[in-house]
Amino acid sequence: DTEVTQTPKHLVMGMTNKKSLKCEQHMGHRAMYWYKQKAKKPPELMFVYSYEKLSINESVPSRFSPECPNSSLLNLHLHALQPEDSALYLCASSLGGVSYEQYFGPGTRLTVT
Amino acid sequence: GDSVTQMEGPVTLSEEAFLTINCTYTATGYPSLFWYVQYPGEGLQLLLKATKADDKGSNKGFEATYRKETTSFHLEKGSVQVSDSAVYFCALTPRNSGNTPLVFGKGTRLSVIA
Repeated sequence: DTEVTQTPKHLVMGMTNKKSLKCEQHMGHRAMYWYKQKAKKPPELMFVYSYEKLSINESVPSRFSPECPNSSLLNLHLHALQPEDSALYLCASSLGGVSYEQYFGPGTRLTVT
Repeated sequence: GDSVTQMEGPVTLSEEAFLTINCTYTATGYPSLFWYVQYPGEGLQLLLKATKADDKGSNKGFEATYRKETTSFHLEKGSVQVSDSAVYFCALTPRNSGNTPLVFGKGTRLSVIA
């Protein structure tokens, strides 16, 4: 089973709201990722967790806050977002280090109003 | 730094036509190479991969061969179907690189018409 699940599928939030995106995998993968994808563009890496520790932060604004409670779960906490943050947010996981192939979830379509 | 270059799209083909999507890369060492496919409204799916020179990845009728001499990993399919309409991303990851993640090409949109 190569499934990564994400909830919610769609999210609409105002600029003053606080919300969280969730990602889960049960493949025993030890690296997990958050990507942001705008329309007609490739995914842009935001964060990488390797063995439950944040290993890469691609200079993402502090209004995005990742959390990895355990090896199967990854959260992205959202606060005071801007309309330009509207995008598809993708979670992915890979077996070990970040140089293995990644398996993606279906994404959360976020709209900031 | 490492990079991936894909042919510009969109590509429009008739059903049962032959498909080639070109992909070339620049990387130090010997990267692993991937093709991902994204259907409308969905996440990315790993389509195929190759981890060393002359490896051929294949899946669902799609094939790509890791060509070190030309630094290429072109995607091919002998007979496309309407259901193949999607965006295709070529990607690489450096091997033995520690914490260097996937590098994506810009993507090629394929439309197959009946």
